[in-house]
Amino acid sequence: KAGVTQTPRYLIKTRGQQVTLSCSPISGHRSVSWYQQTPGQGLQFLFEYFSETQRNKGNFPGRFSGRQFSNSRSEMNVSTLELGDSALYLCASSRDSANYGYTFGSGTRLTVV
Amino acid sequence: GQNIDQPTEMTATEGAIVQINCTYQTSGFNGLFWYQQHAGEAPTFLSYNVLDGLEEKGRFSSFLSRSKGYSYLLLKELQMKDSASYLCAVRDQNGANNLFFGTGTRLTVIP
Repeated sequence: KAGVTQTPRYLIKTRGQQVTLSCSPISGHRSVSWYQQTPGQGLQFLFEYFSETQRNKGNFPGRFSGRQFSNSRSEMNVSTLELGDSALYLCASSRDSANYGYTFGSGTRLTVV
Repeated sequence: GQNIDQPTEMTATEGAIVQINCTYQTSGFNGLFWYQQHAGEAPTFLSYNVLDGLEEKGRFSSFLSRSKGYSYLLLKELQMKDSASYLCAVRDQNGANNLFFGTGTRLTVIP
């Protein structure tokens, strides 16, 4: 079966711009979680969507937002980009509870210049 | 707050055994996960512990002590392909899918 698909793989944006990242979960998975990965901080939880509703949210500013569509695909948006937003953004999907682990996508590498 | 600690780097020899430790302090506990991440790739799930004790899965085993806030990942018969980062993560709420990750342990396997 197809894995978790994230697009695009790489992005370069300028400070102040906004960006939208996309994630298609594994078929049948209704939970999609987003993480930011940086060398110094490791993986940090952004938010989780389940059945089109945000179920959990991490400690990121309001510039970071997301949504989930009826087919479970999810998007995250970052507005007014800052240099510190440069990171690998990972999406992970699971059926519901992640007891048997998420399946992560390969990520979107965002560079803000 | 949530605090997950693990060593930053470790080196071990091919064929040997290595133990990667993880200690955690979280407001709640509902499971501990280990993930493997090769450079430039997505993390992949290795193990899940929610009760005290040892879970064995092939060459990899994971141990949990909830009273001590401690876990370890044991890798046996190390192979060169085991060179990767190993991430410890804790779920603090039942039914929640947000995990708190440590910064990872970069393991280098040498011949």
